[in-house]
Amino acid sequence: DQQVKQNSPSLSVQEGRISILNCDYTNSMFDYFLWYKKYPAEGPTFLISISSIKDKNEDGRFTVFLNKSAKHLSLHIVPSQPGDSAVYFCAASAGNTGNQFYFGTGTSLTVIP
Amino acid sequence: DGGITQSPKYLFRKEGQNVTLSCEQNLNHDAMYWYRQDPGQGLRLIYYSQIVNDFQKGDIAEGYSVSREKKESFPLTVTSAQKNPTAFYLCASGFQSRKSPQHFGDGTRLSIL
Repeated sequence: DQQVKQNSPSLSVQEGRISILNCDYTNSMFDYFLWYKKYPAEGPTFLISISSIKDKNEDGRFTVFLNKSAKHLSLHIVPSQPGDSAVYFCAASAGNTGNQFYFGTGTSLTVIP
Repeated sequence: DGGITQSPKYLFRKEGQNVTLSCEQNLNHDAMYWYRQDPGQGLRLIYYSQIVNDFQKGDIAEGYSVSREKKESFPLTVTSAQKNPTAFYLCASGFQSRKSPQHFGDGTRLSIL
């Protein structure tokens, strides 16, 4: 049972425009969320996180928004650059699951020059 | 340079054979994790360890075994009981707090001969 879902397997965006990657979750106990970026043949690298006490966290071109009532989070990349082309995973954890993180299936972002 | 090293990058298993995937970290992290990634699926947790000489099963532990004799090392053995071992295996480490991101190695791709 997939507790974290990324319903868009792929996304294409023009360079300079905004990329919006979405993630939905089902477990209302999740209170910490992360986004990872993965290039081919490499492991995921941490991008940005957000705790459930916040609804927004920003780091440079990357902003994560959390809508707890909708059980939805999104990652905005502005402006998008060709080097942002990668697979993006969202992940979540809850206080009652130990240190276990639950990952989505990933969204492949292509930024077109 | 601190990081996580997984070896080998590619591994082939014969029927009925056990194989061991190596994971070493020099980040002084207490917690270590093993994930499996299949095409079109997110990362699924196999085993994790919060401290030396202790480890817990994740969602898909059947057919796998681990040990944690040293803080720096968390090898994963794929046993002959794992009937569908072909996948991409990722090792990660992190601090014990579940609200800190995990750092990943570059993965091992296991295939059946």
